[in-house]
Amino acid sequence: DGGITQSPKYLFRKEGQNVTLSCEQNLNHDAMYWYRQDPGQGLRLIYYSQIVNDFQKGDIAEGYSVSREKKESFPLTVTSAQKNPTAFYLCASSLERYNTEAFFGQGTRLTVV
Amino acid sequence: SQQGEEDPQALSIQEGENATMNCSYKTSINNLQWYRQNSGRGLVHLILIRSNEREKHSGRLRVTLDTSKKSSSLLITASRAADTASYFCATSQTGANNLFFGTGTRLTVIP
Repeated sequence: DGGITQSPKYLFRKEGQNVTLSCEQNLNHDAMYWYRQDPGQGLRLIYYSQIVNDFQKGDIAEGYSVSREKKESFPLTVTSAQKNPTAFYLCASSLERYNTEAFFGQGTRLTVV
Repeated sequence: SQQGEEDPQALSIQEGENATMNCSYKTSINNLQWYRQNSGRGLVHLILIRSNEREKHSGRLRVTLDTSKKSSSLLITASRAADTASYFCATSQTGANNLFFGTGTRLTVIP
């Protein structure tokens, strides 16, 4: 089946640890995005990528890093510099940046313990 | 904030009734999109309306766009319990490198 897959669904992080969230798509989309969702709030853009080996910061990039070595994959690392990482993280992809519909993964819920 | 704002924040209706949600935004847009999110899940795209369009239909969904008022509405007709979810508008804004999401409307359809 075509789609976008995020893993893991739930992730627990200790203080001071880096963790990496996986996002894979087989839709042959060029554009991929990472969003953060906090309770009662809309989605906020962390990073986006339009093509392989290129990515741009979104509104809340501090404390996060990404890579885009393959078209299908756009992993997000939450570093220890992110002071409030507990949130729901959503990965998305689209054929063209923002001019066509975005397809979302099922999300990863990250909790700091 | 550059985000759109949905109104109301929460809406509760009986099954079979129509549900109307509104979205307002602040700047010029290329398109406006509506998404649905079930609790704890990813977003699902419902409909995209471009800035030169005024109305679009998809099944029981009707979306209108008024660029002079910078607002859009989503109408769900003959609602079902399975329509219970949060609904978000998102705008692709001219000159911006982002898709701006509102804070959503939480719709509850009572069987």
